[in-house]
Amino acid sequence: DTEVTQTPKHLVMGMTNKKSLKCEQHMGHRAMYWYKQKAKKPPELMFVYSYEKLSINESVPSRFSPECPNSSLLNLHLHALQPEDSALYLCASSQLPTSVQETQYFGPGTRLLVL
Amino acid sequence: GQQLNQSPQSMFIQEGEDVSMNCTSSSIFNTWLWYKQDPGEGPVLLIALYKAGELTSNGRLTAQFGITRKDSFLNISASIPSDVGIYFCAGRYSGAGSYQLTFGKGTKLSVIP
Repeated sequence: DTEVTQTPKHLVMGMTNKKSLKCEQHMGHRAMYWYKQKAKKPPELMFVYSYEKLSINESVPSRFSPECPNSSLLNLHLHALQPEDSALYLCASSQLPTSVQETQYFGPGTRLLVL
Repeated sequence: GQQLNQSPQSMFIQEGEDVSMNCTSSSIFNTWLWYKQDPGEGPVLLIALYKAGELTSNGRLTAQFGITRKDSFLNISASIPSDVGIYFCAGRYSGAGSYQLTFGKGTKLSVIP
């Protein structure tokens, strides 16, 4: 089983709203990632969690707040977003963050529209 | 930072034809991954390569990890309409920040029935 699930599938929010994206994996992976993807572009890394601790923040604005409640769950809390934040948000996981044979498995994504 | 060039950017082929796309890097990679992404969906892993010279197949797909560790190619044989999508290569190197994958810009494949 190489499944990463994400909810919701689609999200529309205003610039004053607070919402959360959720990601879950049950593969026993200890590294989890958030990516942002704009149309016709490759995914861009936002955050990396390693053993439930934030290890990389790619200079992401504070209106994006990640959280890793346990080894299977990853959340992305959104507050006061801008229209340019509209994108496909992808969650991914991999077995070990520093393993040479690291393979990242992606979820289906959340399509976010900020009005 | 690493740069990863993926080509071609897009291609239109007739159903049944073979397809080839490749990625080259300015840095040595330890891992090459090939993903396919359909519109509005997440990337789906097709093939993972871990050793220089490794040649791996997955059905009609074949990918190779270049000997120099700076390149990889993906071939699709006898294309079918469901092969349509964007194919991304991604590489991982063993330097600082080795969590990160470097992605190519993608190859958009269109198959004409």
